[in-house]
Amino acid sequence: EADIYQTPRYLVIGTGKKITLECSQTMGHDKMYWYQQDPGMELHLIHYSYGVNSTEKGDLSSESTVSRIRTEHFPLTLESARPSHTSQYLCASSTYRGRAYEQYFGPGTRLTVT
Amino acid sequence: AQSVTQLGSHVSVSEGALVLLRCNYSSSVPPYLFWYVQYPNQGLQLLLKYTTGATLVKGINGFEAEFKKSETSFHLTKPSAHMSDAAEYFCAVTPSRGGSQGNLIFGKGTKLSVKP
Repeated sequence: EADIYQTPRYLVIGTGKKITLECSQTMGHDKMYWYQQDPGMELHLIHYSYGVNSTEKGDLSSESTVSRIRTEHFPLTLESARPSHTSQYLCASSTYRGRAYEQYFGPGTRLTVT
Repeated sequence: AQSVTQLGSHVSVSEGALVLLRCNYSSSVPPYLFWYVQYPNQGLQLLLKYTTGATLVKGINGFEAEFKKSETSFHLTKPSAHMSDAAEYFCAVTPSRGGSQGNLIFGKGTKLSVKP
């Protein structure tokens, strides 16, 4: 059973506010990911990290930023939220098992910017 | 670039009927392939994966998938649908052979409905 947590689960916030979405995992995984998920669309990778002090932008351009100061913690920050940021954000971590990396997902944060 | 196509954004079956969810990938070099399931208000959960070896892969909850290189497909099946199978299913591939550090490319998902 994978242990990966996201808070808050739901967030409604006004335009221009700064927000941080939290993601924590207790499995000691080095690799962590942030995805953006919209209905009927692919999950889009927006950030990933292969370990402490390592962060990279994903395939989908995003105005968010991330940090990785501790192995277990991978927060995502939006400095100034806009309605276009309304989406579901999924955090994941991965471990090598059976010849491939398997990703484990948190429950997601549904963000609405008004 | 690698891509994943899931045919049918919505599939509806009766309880007890065969479930078939389709997935095709684009690479000429077989990637590693995955199926994930997402229940309402939850994250994704790994159902099964194919890396090498036997092309028929069995996963959790009675699901299985067959890798067909000639058809570049990795369709997901279950012989008899249960009401609890109602969820969204995502096919995913690695960007290149060997896993590429764990990054995945996902399809758009197929929402499975199960009628009583």
